Amino acid sequence: KQEVTQIPAALSVPEGENLVLNCSFTDSAIYNLQWFRQDPGKGLTSLLLIQSSQREQTSGRLNASLDKSSGRSTLYIAASQPGDSATYLCAVVHGGSARQLTFGSGTQLTVLP
Amino acid sequence: DGGITQSPKYLFRKEGQNVTLSCEQNLNHDAMYWYRQDPGQGLRLIYYSQIVNDFQKGDIAEGYSVSREKKESFPLTVTSAQKNPTAFYLCASSLPANEQFFGPGTRLTVL
Repeated sequence: KQEVTQIPAALSVPEGENLVLNCSFTDSAIYNLQWFRQDPGKGLTSLLLIQSSQREQTSGRLNASLDKSSGRSTLYIAASQPGDSATYLCAVVHGGSARQLTFGSGTQLTVLP
Repeated sequence: DGGITQSPKYLFRKEGQNVTLSCEQNLNHDAMYWYRQDPGQGLRLIYYSQIVNDFQKGDIAEGYSVSREKKESFPLTVTSAQKNPTAFYLCASSLPANEQFFGPGTRLTVL
């Protein structure tokens, strides 16, 4: 059974710092991997989707990488801002026909002004 | 505006009562999903539907039921058989095997 782990569970950084969030998964037979942002009491906002054949995706100050063979993905946030404070979740879609997302428990990021 | 709507935003249930959570999308997506989120945890899949009139159980389907009579709608019923229903419920939709988009969520509390 696929398991997704995110470390650290919480992270606090000063404004302007570059940071990396980590995601690992146990079964490398994934179809794609998605990073989400969740603000308190809100739904999820999709940040980046990486297909299994891709190595990375970029959107603005965000860069996500994928290493299927080692079962790892990272989300790099450049020049962090207080508005980046949120919980960041990664999720993988299994191979096969079901196309279900399995989520990690998230990293709660606080960017201090 | 294209998107996913969920209603109500807050829902209170008495012991032994069934309640239904609404999820509607106008993105023309074939697939729709229901997830449950407990405090400090990731999301767990309850049910999903890849096409109208068809749906499958996810990891934690016991105590829940769904229907998919229209492409745009995927309501979730929390039955009295669900012994610990207090949670945040999220609905999502996608094109087949593509990026999932989420609604704003419904917070269910048992009184």
